[in-house]
Amino acid sequence: QQPVQSPQAVILREGEDAVINCSSSKALYSVHWYRQKHGEAPVFLMILLKGGEQKGHEKISASFNEKKQQSSLYLTASQLSYSGTYFCGTLGTSYGKLTFGQGTILTVHP
Amino acid sequence: EAGVTQFPSHSVIEKGQTVTLRCDPISGHDNLYWYRRVMGKEIKFLLHFVKESKQDESGMPNNRFLAERTGGTYSTLKVQPAELEDSGVYFCASSPSGPGLNNEQFFGPGTRLTVL
Repeated sequence: QQPVQSPQAVILREGEDAVINCSSSKALYSVHWYRQKHGEAPVFLMILLKGGEQKGHEKISASFNEKKQQSSLYLTASQLSYSGTYFCGTLGTSYGKLTFGQGTILTVHP
Repeated sequence: EAGVTQFPSHSVIEKGQTVTLRCDPISGHDNLYWYRRVMGKEIKFLLHFVKESKQDESGMPNNRFLAERTGGTYSTLKVQPAELEDSGVYFCASSPSGPGLNNEQFFGPGTRLTVL
């Protein structure tokens, strides 16, 4: 079942912070975060693993609440380059296909 | 290290025609995935290869879609005959396998397919 992302869209000024949430109704093994700019490949940002291990990227951090099956992506001091569509992808096991949320469109203005 | 590459980047065909998409994964990656994103919607899984074997093809829409990965290197996805609803961006992703790895999937730039 598809995870649900919120909000659907965010508009920021440079330097502002944002939080993007991803919720699943199924037990998760891991949550993967990607950012896609128009016409480009989705770029891997972050993986959150059951048990608390995470791998990060740049100035972006994330959390994974295993009890609630929720993950949040934290973007601090946003830059123009942060603009794009953010997707969370979930895995119920350690291996296999990702099930993606519908995406969150983030726009950062000067 | 070269990333995942896909060819063509764009394809415009008429309903009823055949199109073949190609994906070259990162060298050494045993896992190869096909995904599709229809305009404005989520990225949806189509198929997963481990080397040359189909591990999971539960996302393939119907028998008009045929994926192959002969030799366990590059993969092709053929749509025959194409229908209007097949339009979208087709992504390929690859990941390594092995103990201690977490299935980080690296995506290609996608092929934008338009069926008229």
